Amino acid sequence: QKEVEQDPGPLSVPEGAIVSLNCTYSNSAFQYFMWYRQYSRKGPELLMYTYSSGNKEDGRFTAQVDKSSKYISLFIRDSQPSDSATYLCAMKLGMGAQKLVFGQGTRLTINP
Amino acid sequence: NAGVMQNPRHLVRRRGQEARLRCSPMKGHSHVYWYRQLPEEGLKFMVYLQKENIIDESGMPKERFSAEFPKEGPSILRIQQVVRGDSAAYFCASPSGGGGRESYNEQFFGPGTRLTVL
Repeated sequence: QKEVEQDPGPLSVPEGAIVSLNCTYSNSAFQYFMWYRQYSRKGPELLMYTYSSGNKEDGRFTAQVDKSSKYISLFIRDSQPSDSATYLCAMKLGMGAQKLVFGQGTRLTINP
Repeated sequence: NAGVMQNPRHLVRRRGQEARLRCSPMKGHSHVYWYRQLPEEGLKFMVYLQKENIIDESGMPKERFSAEFPKEGPSILRIQQVVRGDSAAYFCASPSGGGGRESYNEQFFGPGTRLTVL
């Protein structure tokens, strides 16, 4: 079993839709959770970073963490064609400089 | 992509040759992480280095792979006697590290080196 599970998709939605991306994990010791966006043949770009359980909002993006269920989500409101990319969840055990454990990534396409 | 530099961007090697990938972290930083991304897969941690020290190499293959971060110059990921299975995108990352341990929670990635082994 992988430490972090993420549905690879592909996921295709119409422009303007609300997108929900999810990851589950098995190690309850993870405390820091990130979402990265990766365009084709580019490096991952950090979108959101949250600590422990709760919600965090940044513009059209909302990250949710439910540690009791070992489940994290990223919501994208008013989706745009420019949001078409692969979205990677990542997590780490504690504060400071530590390695990230990534999900497989979900490929998202927003259709105009 | 916030200041992390990698070169070359593309590297082609024949089986049995050596590959050297270079990474310069964000300006003034002395921490580098290397990750590998195989086709259609997420990123897998390989090694974490600080200047002149390997901190965590738990993700490094036991043979043919090595990494260093000398006092001067970029970090180097070296793959000896490459095989087709080494074909992948290799990324390095650096924390922003503006101050305190909290600033090390975020990792910013470079553009990657795409290695193709013929």
